[in-house]
Amino acid sequence: KAGVTQTPRYLIKTRGQQVTLSCSPISGHRSVSWYQQTPGQGLQFLFEYFSETQRNKGNFPGRFSGRQFSNSRSEMNVSTLELGDSALYLCASSLLGGATNEKLFFGSGTQLSVL
Amino acid sequence: DAKTTQPNSMESNEEEPVHLPCNHSTISGTDYIHWYRQLPSQGPEYVIHGLTSNVNNRMASLAIAEDRKSSTLILHRATLRDAAVYYCILRDQGDDKIIFGKGTRLHILP
Repeated sequence: KAGVTQTPRYLIKTRGQQVTLSCSPISGHRSVSWYQQTPGQGLQFLFEYFSETQRNKGNFPGRFSGRQFSNSRSEMNVSTLELGDSALYLCASSLLGGATNEKLFFGSGTQLSVL
Repeated sequence: DAKTTQPNSMESNEEEPVHLPCNHSTISGTDYIHWYRQLPSQGPEYVIHGLTSNVNNRMASLAIAEDRKSSTLILHRATLRDAAVYYCILRDQGDDKIIFGKGTRLHILP
């Protein structure tokens, strides 16, 4: 069974640009969540999607958005990039999400550098 | 804020057992305790989880205190490949916002 796939693996952008990251969950998983990881703040929850609907959102500005497609693949978008957006962006999938005993499966992440 | 507290770093010798502690004094009755680890240049991977009873799997054991205010992840025989950041998190019923703390960076000495 293929794992969680994130593309691209690395990305370099300049301030003011916008970026779209992609996440393909494990087949059959319907919940996809996104996290930002930086050395200073650690792993921070961005949002979670289930059946094409955003179910939960972390404390990030509106420049961060996402969506989920009918095949459960998800994308996240960051508009008007700032230097502080440089981070490793991770997505995780699970069968249903929201179940306290459910495992999360993470991708390897997209390393975004904003210059 | 993270609901768990872990030491910033720990060190262990190869082929010896490792006990990684986690405090979660505000845990509620329905919270599951999960452990994940993150190897260098990878996303976190699931290690183990439990509710009240001690749990064992091929990777590790989880010992949960009787009052559930703390738990310990046990790696029975550490190898160099176990060097990683270990995260202890609580999964709250109905709350999908999983909050990761800073975790414990485990160093394994050959």
